[in-house]
Amino acid sequence: ETGVTQTPRHLVMGMTNKKSLKCEQHLGHNAMYWYKQSAKKPLELMFVYNFKEQTENNSVPSRFSPECPNSSHLFLHLHTLQPEDSALYLCASSQESGEGDQPQHFGDGTRLSIL
Amino acid sequence: GIQVEQSPPDLILQEGANSTLRCNFSDSVNNLQWFHQNPWGQLINLFYIPSGTKQNGRLSATTVATERYSLLYISSSQTTDSGVYFCAVTYSGGGADGLTFGKGTHLIIQP
Repeated sequence: ETGVTQTPRHLVMGMTNKKSLKCEQHLGHNAMYWYKQSAKKPLELMFVYNFKEQTENNSVPSRFSPECPNSSHLFLHLHTLQPEDSALYLCASSQESGEGDQPQHFGDGTRLSIL
Repeated sequence: GIQVEQSPPDLILQEGANSTLRCNFSDSVNNLQWFHQNPWGQLINLFYIPSGTKQNGRLSATTVATERYSLLYISSSQTTDSGVYFCAVTYSGGGADGLTFGKGTHLIIQP
């Protein structure tokens, strides 16, 4: 799907580096999400933003710092990561109307490797 | 939180076969989606189906919300259908809610 774009597609970084993942949605949605997919584990919700406000933090360590400057853009700032943080990070968006949950549309993900 | 269980965990079929994938969930849901994750990790929306039945080509899905399960049917399988099929739900409603995913069904279609 091209409605949600994630960059970079691949990222290799050391444990002391600082990097950011970017997500942009072109669907006019007002909610955005970060998910993590580790090997052999189900996809896990990390953060939810609704109208640019963070509405859920699913007990994510502080070395992951999200930022949502507007309804179209979502960032995940990374610092001092651990090898177990190596995973596929997926961004999603949806249009929330307060009348029930709407389908979420996913980007292609950023595959992150921590050395 | 809500539990989502998918079965079978693995399925190997010959090209042309039909298959049924099942998703059971432990509570009432507001959203239920089926996804196909291809070998490159891309998560493709198949169906948004909190209730009822939908069809899209060779694929169809049925959710019986009162009995807390959903089924995904794949007919006349092709090798490109290979990958992992996920069921995911939200259950609290009233705003943006994260999806809870099952562990997936790993489908291999052999030529």
